[in-house]
Amino acid sequence: GESVGLHLPTLSVQEGDNSIINCAYSNSASDYFIWYKQESGKGPQFIIDIRSNMDKRQGQRVTVLLNKTVKHLSLQIAATQPGDSAVYFCAEFNNNAGNMLTFGGGTRLMVKP
Amino acid sequence: DVKVTQSSRYLVKRTGEKVFLECVQDMDHENMFWYRQDPGLGLRLIYFSYDVKMKEKGDIPEGYSVSREKKERFSLILESASTNQTSMYLCASSLTGNQDTQYFGPGTRLTVL
Repeated sequence: GESVGLHLPTLSVQEGDNSIINCAYSNSASDYFIWYKQESGKGPQFIIDIRSNMDKRQGQRVTVLLNKTVKHLSLQIAATQPGDSAVYFCAEFNNNAGNMLTFGGGTRLMVKP
Repeated sequence: DVKVTQSSRYLVKRTGEKVFLECVQDMDHENMFWYRQDPGLGLRLIYFSYDVKMKEKGDIPEGYSVSREKKERFSLILESASTNQTSMYLCASSLTGNQDTQYFGPGTRLTVL
């Protein structure tokens, strides 16, 4: 079936380095993607989104890249800080699947001081 | 800011009990969602609602029911709790269903003994 998945379940980076979290999706009809951050004991928090008519979108210290050819999504965090430690989820939205998001399993980002 | 609140952060119930989880959003969003989150399984959609008194099954509706009597409130009901329903339950809302970001509440950690 259609799925959204993450390549790396855990990513450990040094404080100040850049982080890249990857996500593969299999539904070519998906046209909207979201990255969420979930800190321990809290609900997922919206970080950034991107629509399928875009390849790149930048926020504050974060950039999302979308490669529709290989169905790949990535979240780049610049100058990673301890407060970035969390689980990151990608999610895809497919109009053909109703008003529902499909979530990936999540990647844990650990920032070493 | 969007605010989604859930009635309890932690709940402990016994097998066979009826359990109510309440969710309230204050941004006049049309859509509301209930997910459960389990290690290794990510977020799975239980039910969602796109209007008052309307509900749709998600991916795992078995053992659950929902109620949406008012636009701002969406309740998840476990008619007879079982141990396999021990999980983190997350409520979310979105303005409409058309590629709108879902905003999450803080979650309710339910333990069924």
